[in-house]
Amino acid sequence: EIVLTQSPATLSLSPGERATLSCRASQSVSSYLAWYQQKPGQAPRLLIYDASNRATGIPARFSGSGSGTDFTLTVSSLEPEDFAVYYCQQRSNWPLTFGQGTRLEI
Amino acid sequence: EVQLLESGGGLVQPGGSLRLSCAASGFTFTGYGMNWVRQAPGKGLEWVSFISASGASTHYVDSVKGRFTISRGNSKNTLYLQMNSLRAEDTAVYYCAKATHYDSSGDSFDIWGQGTMVTVSS
Repeated sequence: EIVLTQSPATLSLSPGERATLSCRASQSVSSYLAWYQQKPGQAPRLLIYDASNRATGIPARFSGSGSGTDFTLTVSSLEPEDFAVYYCQQRSNWPLTFGQGTRLEI
Repeated sequence: EVQLLESGGGLVQPGGSLRLSCAASGFTFTGYGMNWVRQAPGKGLEWVSFISASGASTHYVDSVKGRFTISRGNSKNTLYLQMNSLRAEDTAVYYCAKATHYDSSGDSFDIWGQGTMVTVSS
C-alpha cells in the first residue's frame, strides 16, 4: 500500500498570503496524484488531478506541481473561503489511498 | 446538472447488513467507473471500493474484502454497496464518487455525493 504523508498537519496563515502544502508518497506514483478541499459538513471537492491539472471551475490561484514521490499544492493568495482541510490522493496503485490531511486555518 | 445522491444509511447492530444506493444523473453513467469513499467521524478520507464502467472489474480496500460488495445497475444509473458483517469501525459517512476520466480504472474523483451516515452500534 502506498502511504501518503502530508505536511504540515496544520498551517496557520492570513488572507492574501501564499500557502504551500506538501504530500510525500512512500513510493513513486508518477504524476497520478490529486488534491481535494473539504469544508466542515461538506463533501470533498476535486481541485487538482494528475499532479498539475486544475479541475473544472477551480480558480487559477490553486496550482499543483511535482512527480514521483514529492508533490506540492500552492494557493497563491488566500481567500477567506480557502480555509479548509486539504487531502492528497494517489491513483497509481490499488488500494487507492489518501493522505491524512492538512488543515489550513486563519 | 451532474449529481450523485446516496441513500440507505442508518443505525445497524454489529454483525448486521446494510445496502447503500447512489443515484446518478447529469452524465453518461455507463461510461465512468464509480467508487465508494468513507470518512469516520472526525477522521480523514478512506477509499473503500471501485467498480469499472461495465461492472466487470472491482477493487476493495483490504479491511472490507469478503464483507462488502460493490455493484451497479447501468439501466437505472445507480451504484450500490452491500455491506455485511458490519463492525463498529465501519461507522462513517459513505460517499459515492465518480471517476474523473472516461472508462478509467484507478482514478481521481471529480463528482461526489453528499454522503450517507452509517452507524454500527448495539
